[in-house]
Amino acid sequence: DGGITQSPKYLFRKEGQNVTLSCEQNLNHDAMYWYRQDPGQGLRLIYYSQIVNDFQKGDIAEGYSVSREKKESFPLTVTSAQKNPTAFYLCASSPQLAGSPYEQYFGPGTRLTVT
Amino acid sequence: GENVEQHPSTLSVQEGDSAVIKCTYSDSASNYFPWYKQELGKGPQLIIDIRSNVGEKKDQRIAVTLNKTAKHFSLHITETQPEDSAVYFCAATSNDYKLSFGAGTTVTVRA
Repeated sequence: DGGITQSPKYLFRKEGQNVTLSCEQNLNHDAMYWYRQDPGQGLRLIYYSQIVNDFQKGDIAEGYSVSREKKESFPLTVTSAQKNPTAFYLCASSPQLAGSPYEQYFGPGTRLTVT
Repeated sequence: GENVEQHPSTLSVQEGDSAVIKCTYSDSASNYFPWYKQELGKGPQLIIDIRSNVGEKKDQRIAVTLNKTAKHFSLHITETQPEDSAVYFCAATSNDYKLSFGAGTTVTVRA
């Protein structure tokens, strides 16, 4: 099956610990994204990557880091510097269609709880 | 940057009735407007989208309309069914890569 996988579905961490969320896609999409979703709010962009070995900060990048060493993988690290890390994290990918907007497809999400 | 506002935040409809969700955007350069459906505990699913060169698009029971002059677009669901109950998000983009999302509408279809 083609798609986007995120693991784990639920993640629990103690305050002060870094944690890495996995995102893998086998859709051969060039671009990948990380969003954060809080109750009653829309999705907010954390980081995005258009090609391998390149990524840009989104609207709320502070306290997060990413890497894009492979086309199919875009892991997100939530560092201890993120003041309010408990949230639902969503990964997305989209095909590269130069010169026109294109669709983003989402994974199932990881719910992170930090206590 | 782009600012997308979505109304209403909650919507309850009787099964078989229609549901309408409206969004406004601020950037007149925006040219792509997708709608997503999110069920509880799952990721959003793209259900329909519209581009700025089209005024209306329909797919079975769902339709989207776009008014570029007024900078607003709407999602219409006809003959609602219990499985339409979910959170719906609108979004807009002008630069191909970054989607700006509305805050979401929780739709409840009453049997």
